[in-house]
Parts: sequence; structure tokens; C-alpha cells
Amino acid sequence: QQQVKQSPQSLIVQKGGISIINCAYENTAFDYFPWYQQFPGKGPALLIAIRPDVSEKKEGRFTISFNKSAKQFSLHIMDSQPGDSATYFCAALAFNFGNEKLTFGTGTRLTIIP
Amino acid sequence: DTGVSQDPRHKITKRGQNVTFRCDPISEHNRLYWYRQTLGQGPEFLTYFQNEAQLEKSRLLSDRFSAERPKGSFSTLEIQRTEQGDSAMYLCASIYRGGNTIYFGEGSWLTVV
Repeated sequence: QQQVKQSPQSLIVQKGGISIINCAYENTAFDYFPWYQQFPGKGPALLIAIRPDVSEKKEGRFTISFNKSAKQFSLHIMDSQPGDSATYFCAALAFNFGNEKLTFGTGTRLTIIP
Repeated sequence: DTGVSQDPRHKITKRGQNVTFRCDPISEHNRLYWYRQTLGQGPEFLTYFQNEAQLEKSRLLSDRFSAERPKGSFSTLEIQRTEQGDSAMYLCASIYRGGNTIYFGEGSWLTVV
């Protein structure tokens, strides 16, 4: 059962543009939503994360938007740069229900072109 | 910076052989996770430990897989009688109790030929 659905599978954005990746979840017990960035041959690295008590979190060029009622959250990368080219994974975790393991989406391969 | 350390980084083995991967979590992180990732897919949960206790195992973890964390510090993941379908990257991650961030290692790539 795919508990976290991610789209699109791949995304090409021009340098300086906005990259948007979307995720939807099913389990209402999830209470922590991180985004991980992964470069080829490397492990996932935490990019930014949000708790469901806020609707938006911004860190530099990266913003998470969270819609609790729709059970959706998205990653926005402003002023996208070639160095942002990587695979991005959304994930979810239920800290408060003792189910402290990350469930990942299927990933989005982002390519930033000059 | 002492992040999550995994060894070996790459392993090529013949089908039917046994392999063992080691993970050293970040110091004082009492929860340790193993995930498996195949090309083009997100990491899939295999098992996790709190200190030395193995709390949960995924259905993905067949009888050929065994994980240990004998003293609540480093962990090992052993795969017996490897099959070609075991080819993947095996990721280790850790977090301290009460923390928010799960940190991943660089992974151990397994190729079964």
C-alpha cells in the first residue's frame, strides 16, 4: 500500500524558475513531513521538514506548503539552480503514535537546465 | 563531522554467498533504521532498533536477512544465500529519542552476480 504518493516522477525547469513537487498522504496519524534530497550514489539528506500545525515553512529558497484538510504537501524551490538537480523524496512519519519510521514517496527527478 | 557511517560502500558478490553490512550511527542516537533502495525507487523500510532491541521488521525482511545491534551502538545487516533480487543500496539511518531529524548514511551498494 502506497501511503505517500508523489508527483511528478520527473521535472525539468529552467534556471531561475520555480520547481514544484507535490505529495499526498493517507494516514492521518502522520505528524512529521520531511523532504529529502538525494544525489546519485549518495544517501538521502534532509532538506526541510514541517509539522502539521503550520501551513508553510520557508528556509532560504525552499518552501513547504502544507494542507492538512486535503492531506497534501508540496515543495517549492525558488530561483532553481543547476546544483538543485537531484532526486527529491517526500516522506511522512508518525512520531506521536509510536510508528517512528519514515514512509517515502517514489521520488521526483529534478533537472534544472540553463 | 561524525555522521552515520556505513561499510563497505560497495560489495559485489556471487549468488548464494553471504554478505554483511555494518552501520555506525551518530553518537548517542538510540534509534537505528535499515532501509533498502533500488534504482528509481524511494527507500523502503526494513527494520529498526531502539538501543539493542529490534522493534519492528518489515515483510520485506525475509528469513535470509538478519539484523543485530548487540550493544546498542553499531548494527549489522546480514544477507544469507544472496539472490540477484537482493541487488540494491542498503541505507542506515539514526535519530536520538525526542529528536526530529532522521539522518541517513551514504549507503552500501550490493550487486549480486
